[in-house]
Amino acid sequence: GAVVSQHPSRVICKSGTSVKIECRSLDFQATTMFWYRQFPKQSLMLMATSNEGSKATYEQGVEKDKFLINHASLTLSTLTVTSAHPEDSSFYICSTFFRTGGDYYEQYFGPGTRLTVT
Amino acid sequence: AQSVTQLDSHVSVSEGTPVLLRCNYSSSYSPSLFWYVQHPNKGLQLLLKYTSAATLVKGINGFEAEFKKSETSFHLTKPSAHMSDAAEYFCVVSSDSNYQLIWGAGTKLIIKP
Repeated sequence: GAVVSQHPSRVICKSGTSVKIECRSLDFQATTMFWYRQFPKQSLMLMATSNEGSKATYEQGVEKDKFLINHASLTLSTLTVTSAHPEDSSFYICSTFFRTGGDYYEQYFGPGTRLTVT
Repeated sequence: AQSVTQLDSHVSVSEGTPVLLRCNYSSSYSPSLFWYVQHPNKGLQLLLKYTSAATLVKGINGFEAEFKKSETSFHLTKPSAHMSDAAEYFCVVSSDSNYQLIWGAGTKLIIKP
């Protein structure tokens, strides 16, 4: 199956600083990547859909100026949390998909990045 | 619009006994359905998926799920629980575009020794 990597796996930063999280598809080209956040003991919440070479599409309630997404190549999408605050502490997960046959797709997930803002 | 409901937030079973994790979905068309597992501090792993082929789907680690259109259900089962099955399980349905996913709230499976 496809492999998606994320870096870093864990990051601790001070309030007010910015953090960049990278998501890479290692063995295939990903024109679309998804960014999720997951609070403790909760399900995944889709934040935005990142499209290579164009602007990301943000879900309702997600601040696009705070969560900057860049998808500059077919194998890399980045999420930058700007001016991070403790309430941004969460588990951030990226995923991408490819077609498995017909009209069906399979999604592959990165291992996640745990962000802690102090 | 599509939605998915996991009926139990926690399920606790003894090792060696059967597991049943319940999931109901709502969709205006024939959806694709998935079960994912997330072990503590680990990434998500696909257990199995239904994509309009056989209604009884077999997955990894002895899990299986049955798609029942009349009941709009996609319950996950395993005949005999193992300690390593302790994890969070998510039932997921595809959106209209078929590549965006709608996530259930998750069910935490607890295995008692």
